[in-house]
Amino acid sequence: QQPVQSPQAVILREGEDAVINCSSSKALYSVHWYRQKHGEAPVFLMILLKGGEQKGHDKISASFNEKKQQSSLYLTASQLSYSGTYFCGTTARNQAGTALIFGKGTTLSVSS
Amino acid sequence: DAGVIQSPRHEVTEMGQEVTLRCKPISGHDYLFWYRQTMMRGLELLIYFNNNVPIDDSGMPEDRFSAKMPNASFSTLKIQPSEPRDSAVYFCASSPGTGVGIGGQYFGPGTRLTVT
Repeated sequence: QQPVQSPQAVILREGEDAVINCSSSKALYSVHWYRQKHGEAPVFLMILLKGGEQKGHDKISASFNEKKQQSSLYLTASQLSYSGTYFCGTTARNQAGTALIFGKGTTLSVSS
Repeated sequence: DAGVIQSPRHEVTEMGQEVTLRCKPISGHDYLFWYRQTMMRGLELLIYFNNNVPIDDSGMPEDRFSAKMPNASFSTLKIQPSEPRDSAVYFCASSPGTGVGIGGQYFGPGTRLTVT
């Protein structure tokens, strides 16, 4: 079951904040976040394994709400380099051992 | 440390020809994944291996597609015969970890395949 990402697209000015959500209809085992710039490969950002876990570095962080079967990616004080498409990938709790299913992505555009 | 290496980076071929894509994963990674990405369908998993053994090939579109991993440092994805609808960017990714979904996946640069 493909996770649903929202919003589909975000347009920001430098310094503004954004939140990208990833929801699943199944109980989640893990949530991954990746960023892909145009013409490049996806780049791994972080993985969350436990309900309630929060991770982050620099000004990009994520949370995992196991109860809501949802993860959110927080981009604070956005920079031009944050532009790209953000994908979440999930594995379901009752399907541990199966590979990731990726959402359709959220396109983030940051301008100066 | 070198990342995931894929070759060729670009491939243009005619319908009906055989195409072979190659991947060298990051040394020490136990998992290897093949993905296909198109605008219409997004990022789709085709097959993944654990310790060189194919685990899930349910994403392979049809019998024209086959994948092998003869050793820990090399994998191929073959399309025979190729069709225009196979045109896409094909990514290989590798991952460490004791279970799939636990380790982050590190993607190669991709092979852009165009079938005319």
